[in-house]
Amino acid sequence: GDSVTQMEGPVTLSEEAFLTINCTYTATGYPSLFWYVQYPGEGLQLLLKATKADDKGSNKGFEATYRKETTSFHLEKGSVQVSDSAVYFCALTFGNQFYFGTGTSLTVIP
Amino acid sequence: DARVTQTPRHKVTEMGQEVTMRCQPILGHNTVFWYRQTMMQGLELLAYFRNRAPLDDSGMPKDRFSAEMPDATLATLKIQPSEPRDSAVYFCASGSSYNSPLHFGNGTRLTVT
Repeated sequence: GDSVTQMEGPVTLSEEAFLTINCTYTATGYPSLFWYVQYPGEGLQLLLKATKADDKGSNKGFEATYRKETTSFHLEKGSVQVSDSAVYFCALTFGNQFYFGTGTSLTVIP
Repeated sequence: DARVTQTPRHKVTEMGQEVTMRCQPILGHNTVFWYRQTMMQGLELLAYFRNRAPLDDSGMPKDRFSAEMPDATLATLKIQPSEPRDSAVYFCASGSSYNSPLHFGNGTRLTVT
């Protein structure tokens, strides 16, 4: 069945470091892919999305490219800030179903 | 900005009591999902609805949990009787169409003592 596997955390980076959080997926059809971010005490917020192969989603300096050949959707940011500290979830949807990764906790230290 | 509204934000109750959580999806959205989040289990799907009809509730303990959509603007999740192991954050999320993102509420933090 469809599923999402993402890098386990926690991840700790210094401010201005480069961030990569790996995400790979298994899907029987052609899913849409998402990254969500969750700040403490809040719900998951959509960070970026890509709906077809080779699409690049971007928002707030974060980017991810839908790679069909490697079934991946890795999240990247060139220079993280303390305010980026949160939990990040990779997700896919196909039809009615949604599948979330287990979440990766990111802490950015000044 | 349209958003999913969940009430209450926090609920503390004693074991055995009934708990009702409410969700107002974004106007025009026709899918509603209920998730439970704990440190140990992460994000678990409990149930989801499309056009108010339940499509999957296999994630819910049927003997104590029930989910309904009395109308398009209200989804409810009930636990009766509640148990300490039900302590978690319960999220509602709504969506508009196939392959579109879900929009989450801020959750109900439930503590059962």
